[in-house]
Amino acid sequence: DAMVIQNPRYQVTQFGKPVTLSCSQTLNHNVMYWYQQKSSQAPKLLFHYYDKDFNNEADTPDNFQSRRPNTSFCFLDIRSPGLGDAAMYLCATSRITGGQFFGPGTRLTVL
Amino acid sequence: GIQVEQSPPDLILQEGANSTLRCNFSDSVNNLQWFHQNPWGQLINLFYIPSGTKQNGRLSATTVATERYSLLYISSSQTTDSGVYFCAGGSGGSNYKLTFGKGTLLTVNP
Repeated sequence: DAMVIQNPRYQVTQFGKPVTLSCSQTLNHNVMYWYQQKSSQAPKLLFHYYDKDFNNEADTPDNFQSRRPNTSFCFLDIRSPGLGDAAMYLCATSRITGGQFFGPGTRLTVL
Repeated sequence: GIQVEQSPPDLILQEGANSTLRCNFSDSVNNLQWFHQNPWGQLINLFYIPSGTKQNGRLSATTVATERYSLLYISSSQTTDSGVYFCAGGSGGSNYKLTFGKGTLLTVNP
């Protein structure tokens, strides 16, 4: 089945220790997104790739970076995680038109 | 950007009851989606419905684009329908980017 896969499902890191989350897709969609979702809140878009073009939301902290080495993979790098970065991180994909499809998410804990 | 309002914020039902969730938009949208977030946190795409009506089993959705609202109907609710329902919209040339509402927390009791 075509799908969006995220690894790991759970990630524990220490304050200030860099962490990388990964997302892969078999849908061959040209747009990939990273969202941050905190408890009882709506998902908040951090950035997206339209093909290779990177688009950062204005209020996304510099601490967050992303890489998309090819159509199938996208990575979220958090350079120096703080306690406030503990959240669920959701990856999604879409075509230019049509629905967005989400992976299962990575729950990040910062100690 | 557009503002998305969902109502009600919380809804408690007995199994078998029907419900209607509403989503209002501050401006015209040409991309509108409904999602269900399950207890494990995954967002499941229910409908892509910028206009018109669609049905999928016990769920259906209607979007009236000219009046900037969408409705999600759940009939004969089951406990597995519990979770948070989000609507999200996009507009203009970058309509693939979505703005989410705050969600409706649905609890279906046996």
